[in-house]
Amino acid sequence: DTAVSQTPKYLVTQMGNDKSIKCEQNLGHDTMYWYKQDSKKFLKIMFSYNNKELIINETVPNRFSPKSPDKAHLNLHINSLELGDSAVYFCASSQGIHFNTEAFFGQGTRLTVV
Amino acid sequence: GDSVTQMEGPVTLSEEAFLTINCTYTATGYPSLFWYVQYPGEGLQLLLKATKADDKGSNKGFEATYRKETTSFHLEKGSVQVSDSAVYFCALKLDYGQNFVFGPGTRLSVLP
Repeated sequence: DTAVSQTPKYLVTQMGNDKSIKCEQNLGHDTMYWYKQDSKKFLKIMFSYNNKELIINETVPNRFSPKSPDKAHLNLHINSLELGDSAVYFCASSQGIHFNTEAFFGQGTRLTVV
Repeated sequence: GDSVTQMEGPVTLSEEAFLTINCTYTATGYPSLFWYVQYPGEGLQLLLKATKADDKGSNKGFEATYRKETTSFHLEKGSVQVSDSAVYFCALKLDYGQNFVFGPGTRLSVLP
């Protein structure tokens, strides 16, 4: 069983469209994250949820909206996609109470906006 | 703010060479430190971690020691293999509720 799974793995779409990326973890963790990795491999935090509650919301356009229906899921919806949104998006989870516990990452979703 | 600095890549080595990838951090508190590895087309995997000063993390022949006095967490391996070719990320995490802060990554290529 995959610990953190994201779907889809690849997403090619036109500018202006709306798309969603889904993430699920089966580790029983209470904290989940979305990271964006650009073409130079820089990883930037976008959002963090703890027990379905938003705790980190970095400077991200409001076209990006996370949704956490339960502790095991954190989905990312993107409205009005732009060329600059092309990147690899990673979902991750950790047990947030103990700050020294590691994060587990999904395989990533490569989003290409054309 | 909190940040992680890594040596610029790419790093190219011959098989069986010694590897060092430097990592230094700036943090307002007392962080836990991590090394993650990303193989082509995959997500990040934890390589090793250390949670307090002088702790040494080790895994798969890789080691790193938490040096509070120099705010460093350098990654070393005595003899690299072609299969170690990947991007390596140093990261820190502070208190509960805070995110992981990653360095820019260092690409390692090992030639046979």
